[in-house]
Amino acid sequence: GAVVSQHPSWVICKSGTSVKIECRSLDFQATTMFWYRQFPKQSLMLMATSNEGSKATYEQGVEKDKFLINHASLTLSTLTVTSAHPEDSSFYICSARDQPYEQYFGPGTRLTVT
Amino acid sequence: DAKTTQPNSMESNEEEPVHLPCNHSTISGTDYIHWYRQLPSQGPEYVIHGLTSNVNNRMASLAIAEDRKSSTLILHRATLRDAAVYYCILDQTGANNLFFGTGTRLTVIP
Repeated sequence: GAVVSQHPSWVICKSGTSVKIECRSLDFQATTMFWYRQFPKQSLMLMATSNEGSKATYEQGVEKDKFLINHASLTLSTLTVTSAHPEDSSFYICSARDQPYEQYFGPGTRLTVT
Repeated sequence: DAKTTQPNSMESNEEEPVHLPCNHSTISGTDYIHWYRQLPSQGPEYVIHGLTSNVNNRMASLAIAEDRKSSTLILHRATLRDAAVYYCILDQTGANNLFFGTGTRLTVIP
């Protein structure tokens, strides 16, 4: 099956700094990628949908200036958490779609802001 | 977004079949029913999806009620590796934005 990777798998950063997370589709081209956030013992929450070459569409309540998404190619999307604070600590998961009705998820990135 | 309702948790003995129910009474005619599962500290894994007819694949079977207001994911022989949170999700055709509910935590007892 299709493989989606994320880098880094975990990151610790200081409050006020920015962190970039990469999401790559390894063996297929993804016209659409999705970013989710998951807090401990909670379900996944969709943050934004990104289409290659266009601006991301953010879900209600997600600050687009804080969570910068770039989908510059058909195999790479990045999420940058700007001026991170402890409340941004979470498990960030991306997914990619190569055809309708099937999404492939990355392994996730655990962000800890100290 | 159309909502799904699942039991919070279920248990099964190893090597026995497991039936995971999902209610989606507000489903629309073009909503696909997706099932994903998530192991601890991992991203979700696709299990199966369907529209109206029952579906089978190497991982599981999906039984969809005739009125489509409910569905059941069937694991034919549970193994310890099947212990996970199982999510039943409705996918509005064309959007493919998956909105996860709380899911069912499956515990497999050796």
